Amino acid sequence: SQTIHQWPATLVQPVGSPLSLECTVEGTSNPNLYWYRQAAGRGLQLLFYSVGIGQISSEVPQNLSASRPQDRQFILSSKKLLLSDSGFYLCASGGRVYGEAYEQYFGPGTRLTVT
Amino acid sequence: AQSVAQPEDQVNVAEGNPLTVKCTYSVSGNPYLFWYVQYPNRGLQFLLKYITGDNLVKGSYGFEAEFNKSQTSFHLKKPSALVSDSALYFCAVRDSRGSTLGRLYFGRGTQLTVWP
Repeated sequence: SQTIHQWPATLVQPVGSPLSLECTVEGTSNPNLYWYRQAAGRGLQLLFYSVGIGQISSEVPQNLSASRPQDRQFILSSKKLLLSDSGFYLCASGGRVYGEAYEQYFGPGTRLTVT
Repeated sequence: AQSVAQPEDQVNVAEGNPLTVKCTYSVSGNPYLFWYVQYPNRGLQFLLKYITGDNLVKGSYGFEAEFNKSQTSFHLKKPSALVSDSALYFCAVRDSRGSTLGRLYFGRGTQLTVWP
């Protein structure tokens, strides 16, 4: 089974500072990778997804960016944080066999507070 | 378009009673359906999925879900609730057609509280 690692677990950053959140995956190869944000402990907002190294798709225009430098590494970044970037960030990994309904596996999350 | 609705923000049940968390979906083709559970400050944990076949799907921790195509529903159930089942539950759907993207569409979540 897959294991998703995320760090840091918690982060407090001032407005205007840069951000880098890292996600790594074990137990699979060539996965689809996803970044979600969860605000106020409820719904999930898909931010970015990637089907391969260097391939990033953005769901919503925002202050964030993502990169996939290696097959099982996914990074979420920002040059200048906004207060509205606060939230719980989740990385997920899913299978990519055509037509197969592989479930997504989630990491433990990073709690980001922008002050 | 694909979407999921969880009509109840909150479900409260007494320990030992049966529980149901509701989910309805909308997809263009045949659905792949999933349930996840989230404990406070944790990631989502996969509970079960429906792909095809038997409409009653059994999953982790004694949970099951019933797929109803005519009602486009996939309600999560458990015969006897435990206090430890208290958590946030998410339903998700994916269209069986399409690319290898594997994107899931999530509902807003239902907070389940089981009291002793």
